[in-house]
Amino acid sequence: AQSVTQLGSHVSVSEGALVLLRCNYSSSVPPYLFWYVQYPNQGLQLLLKYTSAATLVKGINGFEAEFKKSETSFHLTKPSAHMSDAAEYFCAVDPRTGGFKTIFGAGTRLFVKA
Amino acid sequence: NAGVTQTPKFQVLKTGQSMTLQCAQDMNHNSMYWYRQDPGMGLRLIYYSASEGTTDKGEVPNGYNVSRLNKREFSLRLESAAPSQTSVYFCASSPSTSYNEQFFGPGTRLTVL
Repeated sequence: AQSVTQLGSHVSVSEGALVLLRCNYSSSVPPYLFWYVQYPNQGLQLLLKYTSAATLVKGINGFEAEFKKSETSFHLTKPSAHMSDAAEYFCAVDPRTGGFKTIFGAGTRLFVKA
Repeated sequence: NAGVTQTPKFQVLKTGQSMTLQCAQDMNHNSMYWYRQDPGMGLRLIYYSASEGTTDKGEVPNGYNVSRLNKREFSLRLESAAPSQTSVYFCASSPSTSYNEQFFGPGTRLTVL
């Protein structure tokens, strides 16, 4: 069965520092992968998605993620954190096995310190 | 273009009361979803509708019913609310169930006393 694991329920970085949010998945075939962001009291919105084209995917607000099949990972990075990046981030996997089976990770809350 | 709208934004119920959460989308999407979000558990799928006229159970359907009223609207009903149903509920839509990003509403915060 497919699953998605986000390492670290909370991550704290200083403004200007590298942001690294980790996501590992298990799937029987190469899946489609997504990162969503949720700002306080709002719904989720898409940051970026991997759909088997380029393994390095660029998203909005300077975020990017790299699909690494050998490591079954899809970590989210941003070179320099801004205060406005403080939010909760969710990794999601669509295992492409028919029907609707997208599942979400538990989320990582990002704190940005001034 | 409002995207996905949900009503109400907040609701407090007593145990045993019933209510319906409303969701509508104006993007002409075929598929719609209901999730609940609880701390530390991410989003869990309650029900989804792959297309107008169809509904299917998700991971946590017990205690809920849904109606796909038309292509735009997908409602979630709690027949007899329980404290365990205290949560934030999100509706989402997508062009189809396959390989598409989902578009989320702003959520309904429900408290069951």
